[in-house]
Amino acid sequence: DGGITQSPKYLFRKEGQNVTLSCEQNLNHDAMYWYRQDPGQGLRLIYYSQIVNDFQKGDIAEGYSVSREKKESFPLTVTSAQKNPTAFYLCASTEELNTEAFFGQGTRLTVV
Amino acid sequence: GEDVEQSLFLSVREGDSSVINCTYTDSSSTYLYWYKQEPGAGLQLLTYIFSNMDMKQDQRLTVLLNKKDKHLSLRIADTQTGDSAIYFCAEEFGNEKLTFGTGTRLTIIP
Repeated sequence: DGGITQSPKYLFRKEGQNVTLSCEQNLNHDAMYWYRQDPGQGLRLIYYSQIVNDFQKGDIAEGYSVSREKKESFPLTVTSAQKNPTAFYLCASTEELNTEAFFGQGTRLTVV
Repeated sequence: GEDVEQSLFLSVREGDSSVINCTYTDSSSTYLYWYKQEPGAGLQLLTYIFSNMDMKQDQRLTVLLNKKDKHLSLRIADTQTGDSAIYFCAEEFGNEKLTFGTGTRLTIIP
């Protein structure tokens, strides 16, 4: 079945370490997105990519980095520069920028 | 498991009210959200409601929550062409999981 997969579901990181969250889709979608969810705030856009080898900063890109070497994959690295990384991270994809979004199951990152 | 459903399409005449509906199966959520997705943009949070509230109003937007029927709705008064977008409802479960509906594409008829 086509879909979008995030892994792992739960992730723990020590302070000062970088960590990479995986997002893979087999929907042949061009656009992919990373969001961060905090309670009562809704989703905030971290980075998005419209096409392979291209990506743009969202509203809260500081402390994060991404790559888009393949159409199917859009990994997000949470660096040690991110001051408050504990959150729920959601990946999404769309066929183009103006079409229905499909969401992954999310990754809960906790810094210990 | 959690399941959130919406109608895929809604057409409304300009100036009328739009009502976008959402039903869900798991009533243990903490917050329920409405998001808007416009062309060329990511998801935009429109409004949210805490699960122990029945109604929330914010300018042209009214959110109604019926926990008994597990039904959430978003009413947009005086719908304008700029309201054309895809609207998603979502349930949050204590910051552990966020489940989205399928999205409703709202089309405005001049």
